[in-house]
Amino acid sequence: EDKVVQSPLSLVVHEGDTVTLNCSYEVTNFRSLLWYKQEKKAPTFLFMLTSSGIEKKSGRLSSILDKKELSSILNITATQTGDSAIYLCAVGRGGSEKLVFGKGTKLTVNP
Amino acid sequence: DAGVIQSPRHEVTEMGQEVTLRCKPISGHDYLFWYRQTMMRGLELLIYFNNNVPIDDSGMPEDRFSAKMPNASFSTLKIQPSEPRDSAVYFCASSHRGRGVLRLKHSGNTIYFGEGSWLTVV
Repeated sequence: EDKVVQSPLSLVVHEGDTVTLNCSYEVTNFRSLLWYKQEKKAPTFLFMLTSSGIEKKSGRLSSILDKKELSSILNITATQTGDSAIYLCAVGRGGSEKLVFGKGTKLTVNP
Repeated sequence: DAGVIQSPRHEVTEMGQEVTLRCKPISGHDYLFWYRQTMMRGLELLIYFNNNVPIDDSGMPEDRFSAKMPNASFSTLKIQPSEPRDSAVYFCASSHRGRGVLRLKHSGNTIYFGEGSWLTVV
């Protein structure tokens, strides 16, 4: 059965800190790994990763995939209170449009 | 562009009642997904459609749940009869894969979520 595990489950930091969120997966015929940010409503798309070792960056957020280790990390530098959210990792496989989600990491950034 | 639109946004209903959740996907998207989110289980895929045809309903919990997609711009998820354990946020999402050469540009599985229907069954 496909599995996505995120760690830590929750994290509390101060503004300005740098955080690293982890996602590991077990999936047959891996195709892509996606990161979403969920505030109070719908998850919003952050990154899609398909190739190992290539960093994707958007402002203070960056992510990289390691297919050998079956994992990905999401980094947020110089955190702000607006980064407080649940960060979800999801994995898709070839031959299906189904995404399997991890339970998320709840990040709280205090002023 | 309008995103995925869901209704109702919130519903509180009594056990045993029928609940119908509605979804309008992003125009032009050929895949539609229904997900359920709870604290205990996170986000779980219930069913997804491609070009209005159900492709994988293995996540539908039991016969009390049914989903339809009568046309490309509308889908419903129905629970009958509802039970307290059905209380959750139900998300609809859609995506576009394209055909032929265009499909190569849509590698991966990016999907776009609606704002969810928050269901409480008492």
